[in-house]
Formats: sequence, structure tokens, C-alpha cells
Amino acid sequence: KNQVEQSPQSLIILEGKNCTLQCNYTVSPFSNLRWYKQDTGRGPVSLTIMTFSENTKSNGRYTATLDADTKQSSLHITASQLSDSASYICVVIPRGGYSSASKIIFGSGTRLSIRP
Amino acid sequence: SQTIHQWPATLVQPVGSPLSLECTVEGTSNPNLYWYRQAAGRGLQLLFYSVGIGQISSEVPQNLSASRPQDRQFILSSKKLLLSDSGFYLCAWSVSRGAYTEAFFGQGTRLTVV
Repeated sequence: KNQVEQSPQSLIILEGKNCTLQCNYTVSPFSNLRWYKQDTGRGPVSLTIMTFSENTKSNGRYTATLDADTKQSSLHITASQLSDSASYICVVIPRGGYSSASKIIFGSGTRLSIRP
Repeated sequence: SQTIHQWPATLVQPVGSPLSLECTVEGTSNPNLYWYRQAAGRGLQLLFYSVGIGQISSEVPQNLSASRPQDRQFILSSKKLLLSDSGFYLCAWSVSRGAYTEAFFGQGTRLTVV
């Protein structure tokens, strides 16, 4: 069964500090892996998109890594800001096809809180 | 350009009233369509999945139903809402182009059943 697991479930850090969020997946084969930021009550906003052949992707203070061998991805946030408080969701898009195997797989997310 | 519209953004409905949430897609054809629900403090749970017009797969037993009357229209409905139907509902679509699959998400609807 295709799964995406994220850790930690929640995280509290001080403003200005760095943090790393983890995503382990079993989806195979997959087309691309994405990290999203979701503010409460809002739709997910894309941070990074990596295809199965990419190892890293940056977007400002966000850097995502992908290890296809160990089926792990991480999202590193540097110099955190209060506005970074949100849920961060790892999403795996299976490769191709119109079948139940091609459903988008969401992780349960990491709830990040930045304290002043 | 490819985009997805979902409305309304927020909705407050009394228990026992009907529900209709609509999602439409632009800029692509024959997409896979999805309805997800997110309870407070929880992750996104897949409710329904559609690979074509009139083709609906239900992932979890519930008080809701889905329909796809047109290729790029996906509707989430209920005849009688329950308090437990409150939550954040998200529509999404995906289309495969060779080895790469594109996906977009709507802005979501926050439903409060009172």
C-alpha cells in the first residue's frame, strides 16, 4: 500500500532558528515529490517540486532533499520567521495512469510553530 | 493556463441541511479528480476519487457523495449534514504526461455544521 509518513508530528522552535522536517514514503514508482505549506483553513501552497531524478531543490529559505534509494525526503527551513508557522505537507504523485495506483498520496503533515 | 476553482471558501450550514460543494478545472482535459477532508488538527483524508465522467470511487464510508457530471467538474454533496461533517474540504486534480504527473489543489472550503 502506498504510504507517506512525516515526522515529527509537531515542532516548536524559536524565531531565527533552523529546522528539518522528514518524509518517508513507500510510493513506487513516483512522478514527483512535493512539499506544501498549509496555513490553517487555506489550500496548500507549493514550496518545492522534485522529480524522481532530482536530489535537491531550493526556494528561498526552504530547501528540500530527496534520496530515492532510501525513499526519504526532508525539508530544511533556515532562519525561521513567525510567518513560517503552518503545517508542512509532503505529497507524492505516483507516476502515470488512470488507476487507483495513481492517486495523490498526502502525508499527515508536520505542524510547525515559531515562537518569538 | 491550468487552474482549479473551488467554492465557496467558507460555509456555515445547520444540521440536517443539504450540501453542495463545487470544483471546476481549467486548462486540461480528462484529469483525475479528488475530494479530501481535513478535520481540525488532522491530516488530509481522501474521500472520493474520479478517473472520468460518472466514475466515482469512495475511499471511506460516510454521509457524503460525489458526482462528476462533466469532465472538469466535481461535486461533493450531502442530503443531510451531520455535525461530524464539519471540516476543511479540498479539491485536487492530476494529469499524467508521460513519466511526469502534474497536480493542482484548490483553495479549500471550510464547512462548519451548526
